Amino acid sequence: LAKTTQPISMDSYEGQEVNITCSHNNIATNDYITWYQQFPSQGPRFIIQGYKTKVTNEVASLFIPADRKSSTLSLPRVSLSDTAVYYCLVGDRYNFNKFYFGSGTKLNVKP
Amino acid sequence: DAGITQSPRHKVTETGTPVTLRCHQTENHRYMYWYRQDPGHGLRLIHYSYGVKDTDKGEVSDGYSVSRSKTEDFLLTLESATSSQTSVYFCAIRLTGENTEAFFGQGTRLTVV
Repeated sequence: LAKTTQPISMDSYEGQEVNITCSHNNIATNDYITWYQQFPSQGPRFIIQGYKTKVTNEVASLFIPADRKSSTLSLPRVSLSDTAVYYCLVGDRYNFNKFYFGSGTKLNVKP
Repeated sequence: DAGITQSPRHKVTETGTPVTLRCHQTENHRYMYWYRQDPGHGLRLIHYSYGVKDTDKGEVSDGYSVSRSKTEDFLLTLESATSSQTSVYFCAIRLTGENTEAFFGQGTRLTVV
């Protein structure tokens, strides 16, 4: 399994763009990068998944450089409701047995 | 929520007693997982299942057992609860098509006194 490293916490203000970087130096050829969001007292929720370059959906963008050793989750114009823990997972998209979470990044959005 | 229901949602039990948590799903997903989450920490995988009667250990399986006698139910049992097993327990399923995202239940808060 590719080990991931994320900042423990980040602060931001409402309306700003937030970029959370995940380091995964040992990513394997078949590995995808997936991000989940977790609010207090709730289970994690899928945000976005990608393999290379850039992926965008209605809530976030995921930037993956050519070497794939890191990735950046970008949240545009955050609001107070984006305060949550964000997890970066790296693994074979179709290996359902290995599905591990790290410690995540606690994002605190201030007014 | 992919039709996932966890029960009970809250439980207080005494040290040494057996406890069973239930995860029920309504959409016939093959892969099911049990995690625990302690304050200030991420989720740690306890056990997972890849089909009826097919289960395997995760990162922190000591003190826990699981059973899956039918597709819709995945049971987590603490044979003899200890205070170190006080935690929030989450059940999850994963999709197996082009989209392989996971969906989580609402969690069970277990307190062992």
